[in-house]
Amino acid sequence: DAKTTQPTSMDCAEGRAANLPCNHSTISGNEYVYWYRQIHSQGPQYIIHGLKNNETNEMASLIITEDRKSSTLILPHATLRDTAVYYCIVRVRGNTGKLIFGQGTTLQVKP
Amino acid sequence: KAGVTQTPRYLIKTRGQQVTLSCSPISGHRSVSWYQQTPGQGLQFLFEYFSETQRNKGNFPGRFSGRQFSNSRSEMNVSTLELGDSALYLCASSLEGQGAWDTQYFGPGTRLTVL
Repeated sequence: DAKTTQPTSMDCAEGRAANLPCNHSTISGNEYVYWYRQIHSQGPQYIIHGLKNNETNEMASLIITEDRKSSTLILPHATLRDTAVYYCIVRVRGNTGKLIFGQGTTLQVKP
Repeated sequence: KAGVTQTPRYLIKTRGQQVTLSCSPISGHRSVSWYQQTPGQGLQFLFEYFSETQRNKGNFPGRFSGRQFSNSRSEMNVSTLELGDSALYLCASSLEGQGAWDTQYFGPGTRLTVL
């Protein structure tokens, strides 16, 4: 599975958009980008995933660059409850149920 | 639809004991994966079960084992507990476990403390 690189930590003002970057320069054509977040000591929560097109759901938007070497998770209006560790994961199509987590980005939303 | 449930939520054991953790997947999900999370190592994959068979295994010693029942519920067992086994143990379920479209959903975890 492709390796991902994320900043260790980021801050965001409440009500503003939070843009979380992820680098996956070795991604293959059959690998999806997944985002999860983990609020302190809870189980990771699925946010969104995509292959090559931009995706949006009720939680967030995922922007994947045309060369697919990086992506950005966007939380459009961050709230204090969005404070969490955000994980960017690249997952191979057809792989078994195994996710490889990196260290993630700790997002601190401040009032 | 109910989410993934794990029992117990908290557990305290002493070194040398063994422990069994339980996971009930989302209804209709047949794949169950287990993860260990520690401050030092982060989230690490333990193993995955599908149709009562272990399909994938992470790099953990044989003291860590699991099984899956015909109703897709899963248990994991850790024998001869060590202090380093103190961790949050997470279970995740998905429909089939294969295909990058098949999203995994996590339970709240079991916090194991080994004294």
